[in-house]
Amino acid sequence: NAGVTQTPKFQVLKTGQSMTLQCAQDMNHEYMSWYRQDPGMGLRLIHYSVGAGITDQGEVPNGYNVSRSTTEDFPLRLLSAAPSQTSVYFCASSPGGAGYGYTFGSGTRLTVV
Amino acid sequence: ELKVEQNPLFLSMQEGKNYTIYCNYSTTSDRLYWYRQDPGKSLESLFVLLSNGAVKQEGRLMASLDTKARLSTLHITAAVHDLSATYFCAVRNTGNQFYFGTGTSLTVIP
Repeated sequence: NAGVTQTPKFQVLKTGQSMTLQCAQDMNHEYMSWYRQDPGMGLRLIHYSVGAGITDQGEVPNGYNVSRSTTEDFPLRLLSAAPSQTSVYFCASSPGGAGYGYTFGSGTRLTVV
Repeated sequence: ELKVEQNPLFLSMQEGKNYTIYCNYSTTSDRLYWYRQDPGKSLESLFVLLSNGAVKQEGRLMASLDTKARLSTLHITAAVHDLSATYFCAVRNTGNQFYFGTGTSLTVIP
């Protein structure tokens, strides 16, 4: 059971480049989310999904797009990378019930130069 | 928007001592979660608290929830070095989004 798998683990981008961070889970979880973690700011919600075909914006959605065509996959797209998007990105998934917290992926450390 | 505040942000404590981390949140919720993060690692679930007065314990850590005060605490008993990590609380709103606190970086020193 792999849990939540994120790729790549590290990435360096030039300003203006685009890329996709991959996230896949094999637990048949309904809920999936993307967070970014910056020093002193905790984790901030970028986008989330409550099921295949359904996505919505979180606290800091600007500059990012998501889609959820299958239950398993929830990719995060950076449209035109900016230095302010340098961060550690975590994907997480959860079953629908309140008794469950999120299971997190191992993270992607992104640097935009 | 739901706000979650933790304090202290940084905590340095001696081995064997007790201390409490506080987590306050801004809107009504009875779903509170605690996570641990080691440096350079992902987040690991510690506790799930789902009702007023809920208390969970695991080893030297005990978490509680007071939904009326919108407050959760994480109490550390007789700290040991292995507990050094960053601890996050998170609150789940009615839309099933998780909002995280800024984290408490705990260092246990001999």
